[in-house]
Order: sequence, then structure tokens, then C-alpha cells
Amino acid sequence: EAGVAQSPRYKIIEKRQSVAFWCNPISGHATLYWYQQILGQGPKLLIQFQNNGVVDDSQLPKDRFSAERLKGVDSTLKIQPAKLEDSAVYLCASSPTLSSYEQYFGPGTRLTVT
Amino acid sequence: AQTVTQSQPEMSVQEAETVTLSCTYDTSESDYYLFWYKQPPSRQMILVIRQEAYKQQNATENRFSVNFQKAAKSFSLKISDSQLGDAAMYFCAYRWYGGATNKLIFGTGTLLAVQP
Repeated sequence: EAGVAQSPRYKIIEKRQSVAFWCNPISGHATLYWYQQILGQGPKLLIQFQNNGVVDDSQLPKDRFSAERLKGVDSTLKIQPAKLEDSAVYLCASSPTLSSYEQYFGPGTRLTVT
Repeated sequence: AQTVTQSQPEMSVQEAETVTLSCTYDTSESDYYLFWYKQPPSRQMILVIRQEAYKQQNATENRFSVNFQKAAKSFSLKISDSQLGDAAMYFCAYRWYGGATNKLIFGTGTLLAVQP
């Protein structure tokens, strides 16, 4: 079974530029999560999808971050414009259903904003 | 609000020895899950072990076991017979069982080094 795929693995941009991250969850997984992991901290949930609908985006900075999962499969997270404090690893995870206890994580995208 | 605290930023253990990682949490809920996740360097996070709060028996998975103290809101991970491959960042995480979302709340992590 293929795992959660993410791209790119690394990205370096200047502040005020835009960036997008892509995630392809495990086949058949209805629930998809985006986490932000700042160095020295644990992952923090940014947004959660159930199929193509948003379940929780309470911690997503909506003035600069956006995410979509149009066909209920893969997802894109965008930052526009980026700030220095957005430097972090962005993790995508998926689970079969909303009630599943286990989340399967991708390798993450390491973003550096200079 | 629920919080998870890991007070040991770094730990070290000799190969074949036993190490215990600490975690405390705060919640007003009675039904929840607790997890330990392992994040090896430059590799994806994987689930090590989980504990349902309603279960009194401590969970075990091969060399990994937990000490769950619900009243004290403590959830420690014991790794027996440590191996070089156990070196990683370990995160303690909480999830409310009855929540509308499946959101995990993570601690800040403990970096475990295994000395040969």
C-alpha cells in the first residue's frame, strides 16, 4: 500500500512570495489533515478535510493560507504572501474515516522563508 | 483547552537498556485517546502505541509499553532493550474521543539518542 505522498520535499522562498504544497493521501482515505511543525514544537493542525469538505480550519491563518481538496482526493495548501514565521515543516496526514484512531503521515515539506 | 506537555527535550540511552519518556496532559474530558508517535530523522511520523482512556490496562506493543495514570493525567512510554533504530523524536499526542474532528494535540517532543 502506497503511503501519503507530498511534494516538494524542500522549498526556499523569500518573504512576500507565494508557495504551494501538494499532498496525495492513501487511496480510499476520506479524511485529510495539514499540520504545521515549527522547529522545536509539535505539529499543529491547520486544516482538516472530510472528503472535499472542511471539518476544522480554526487554526488556519486565513489571511494568507488557503487549502483545497476539490475532488476529495489530493489536496493543495497555499501560502500567499509568506512571512518569516511560516518557516516550518508542513505535514500532510490521512485516515480512512473521521473516527479512525490512526493518522498516517507523509514525509513533509520543509519550507524556509528568507 | 487540552494541552500536552513533554518536559524532557532530550534523552539518551545505551543500546539494550531501558528508557522512559514522560508526558502529562490536561483535559476536562473523560473519553479520549493518547498516542506516542515516532519521527525518525528526515522520515515520516509513525504511530508507536495508543491507549484508550477507558481501558485500565496499560497498552503494550513488543518492546514498547506505556504507564497510563488517568487520575494524574500522566502517560509515559517505556522502551525496553533499546535499539539503534529507536533513535528519533518522540511525540506524545491527545485526541478527544467524542470530538467532531479527529484532531491530534501534540506535545513538543523528546529527542531520543541511542548510544552503541
